[in-house]
Amino acid sequence: QKEVEQDPGPLSVPEGAIVSLNCTYSNSAFQYFMWYRQYSRKGPELLMYTYSSGNKEDGRFTAQVDKSSKYISLFIRDSQPSDSATYLCAMTLNTGGFKTIFGAGTRLFVKA
Amino acid sequence: EAGVAQSPRYKIIEKRQSVAFWCNPISGHATLYWYQQILGQGPKLLIQFQNNGVVDDSQLPKDRFSAERLKGVDSTLKIQPAKLEDSAVYLCASSLGDSSGRFFGPGTRLTVL
Repeated sequence: QKEVEQDPGPLSVPEGAIVSLNCTYSNSAFQYFMWYRQYSRKGPELLMYTYSSGNKEDGRFTAQVDKSSKYISLFIRDSQPSDSATYLCAMTLNTGGFKTIFGAGTRLFVKA
Repeated sequence: EAGVAQSPRYKIIEKRQSVAFWCNPISGHATLYWYQQILGQGPKLLIQFQNNGVVDDSQLPKDRFSAERLKGVDSTLKIQPAKLEDSAVYLCASSLGDSSGRFFGPGTRLTVL
């Protein structure tokens, strides 16, 4: 079992839809949770960074962490064609030094 | 604020040849990372530096890969000799600390023929 599981998609939605992207993890020691957006032929860009369980909102993006279920989500409201990209979840644990594991990414297509 | 710079952006070599990649992190970022991203996968950490020192190189294939970070700023990653399975995007990233989010460069796309 991988430490971080993420459905690769692709996920195709119409413009204006609410998008839900998810990751599950197996190690309860993960403490920090991140979402990155990666456009084709570009490096990943940090979108959201959260520490605790609960919700964090930034504009059209909401990150949700449920540590009891080992499940994190990213919601995108009023999705736009410019949101079409691969979304990577990442999470960090402290093993005497910090170790970060990335999910494989979910490809999202938002159709105009 | 300038981002993470990498060069070259693309490189095509034949197997058994050598190649080197360069990275200039965001100014003031003490932590620098090299990742390998194979198509359809998430980035995999190859090596992490804290200033000049190596923090984690447990997944670096040391028989063929080497990296250095001189003066705690720029870094180079070298592959010698390259194998077909090294074809990937090599991403450099930097951060203020190792629990912080990473800032990635545009990557170098390597094709080994």
